[in-house]
Amino acid sequence: NAGVTQTPKFRVLKTGQSMTLLCAQDMNHEYMYWYRQDPGMGLRLIHYSVGEGTTAKGEVPDGYNVSRLKKQNFLLGLESAAPSQTSVYFCASRGTSQETQYFGPGTRLLVL
Amino acid sequence: TQLLEQSPQFLSIQEGENLTVYCNSSSVFSSLQWYRQEPGEGPVLLVTVVTGGEVKKLKRLTFQFGDARKDSSLHITAAQPGDTGLYLCAGGGAGGTSYGKLTFGQGTILTVHP
Repeated sequence: NAGVTQTPKFRVLKTGQSMTLLCAQDMNHEYMYWYRQDPGMGLRLIHYSVGEGTTAKGEVPDGYNVSRLKKQNFLLGLESAAPSQTSVYFCASRGTSQETQYFGPGTRLLVL
Repeated sequence: TQLLEQSPQFLSIQEGENLTVYCNSSSVFSSLQWYRQEPGEGPVLLVTVVTGGEVKKLKRLTFQFGDARKDSSLHITAAQPGDTGLYLCAGGGAGGTSYGKLTFGQGTILTVHP
């Protein structure tokens, strides 16, 4: 039981490049979330999903897209990376009747 | 937009001291959670409080939810170096459309010196 895993762990991009961050959970959770964490700003919700095939915008969705084609996977895409997207990205999942969000170890992204 | 103001942002204390971290909002939350995060890892849930005035204790940690469910505090007694980390409060919305979404405070970086 791996919980929530994220790939890659670290990535450096040039401005304008694209990439996809992968989140996988093996707990059969319905809800999944993508956050970004910046110094002094806590975690901010980018997008979330309440089930396979559904996605919704969070607090800071601009510049990001997501997909949830399979229940266990939640992908976060950056179509044209900008230096302002330099951050640590966390994925989390939660069961519908649970209180706890389970977080992955994070992806550190640097956009030059 | 619901906001959570967490204070202080930084706390540096000696082993054995007591400390309190505060989390305040002008909004009402259906629940308030506290997470702890270590460098290079994701946050891990410490506790959830859901009732106004509720107090929960986990060993040396005491968590309180305000009567009006707008604020919370985390008190650590006799802090130890192992308590060092980032502490985050997070408020949960009410209603079926909240889908478990959380609003996080800015976090408190706690350093406990031996």
